[in-house]
Amino acid sequence: DAGITQSPRHKVTETGTPVTLRCHQTENHRYMYWYRQDPGHGLRLIHYSYGVKDTDKGEVSDGYSVSRSKTEDFLLTLESATSSQTSVYFCATTTSGQVETQYFGPGTRLLVL
Amino acid sequence: QQPVQSPQAVILREGEDAVINCSSSKALYSVHWYRQKHGEAPVFLMILLKGGEQKGHEKISASFNEKKQQSSLYLTASQLSYSGTYFCGTGGGSQGNLIFGKGTKLSVKP
Repeated sequence: DAGITQSPRHKVTETGTPVTLRCHQTENHRYMYWYRQDPGHGLRLIHYSYGVKDTDKGEVSDGYSVSRSKTEDFLLTLESATSSQTSVYFCATTTSGQVETQYFGPGTRLLVL
Repeated sequence: QQPVQSPQAVILREGEDAVINCSSSKALYSVHWYRQKHGEAPVFLMILLKGGEQKGHEKISASFNEKKQQSSLYLTASQLSYSGTYFCGTGGGSQGNLIFGKGTKLSVKP
C-alpha cells in the first residue's frame, strides 16, 4: 500500500460543469499518473507528472487538464464535463517510471448526466 | 500501440493451470502484470525487464521473450482468490510510460 487516496470516490455531475478530482500520496513518489478505465478498453493514460509542475499528455488527454503544485498532490480537471467522460478514474504513482511498480489509488467513479 | 492479450476470458476449476499472453507490435523494455478484482484497484503482480531481471510475486511466474515482443503469465494450481481481470502493461524504452492491454478475465470455480 503506497498511501494513495483519491477524492471524491464517487461523483455525479451534469454535462458542462467543471469537475476536479484529487490524488494524494504520502510516499514521496516522483511519478504520478491519471488513467481512465472503461469496459473493453482497459486502462488508458490521460496525463502524467514526472515532478512538481512537470506534466505531460497521455493518449486520451483531450478535455482534461492537470496540475501538480506539490509532490503529494496531482489534480485532474474536466473543464466542461461530457457524457463520454463518464468513467472510473485511477491515480497511480511510482518511484522511477516504468521500471518500478505502479501503485494504484482506489479509484473515482464519475457519472456525467 | 496497445498490447494484445489472449485469451480474453478463461474459466478454470480450482487446481487447474492457466496461461495468459501479452503481445506487442513494438520493441519492449518492460512488461508489467497486474490483477484487478471487481470494483477494486489494480494490484501489482510482476515486472519483467529487458535483459532478464524480474521483480514480483513469489507464487506467480512469467516469461518475457524480447525477440518476439511477448510475455506470458503462468498461474499454476489456481485458487479461488486468483479470480479477477489480469492486465499487462508494456513499456517501449527505459523512459516512457506503460500502455495497458484490455485485460483477461479469469474465473476460478470450486
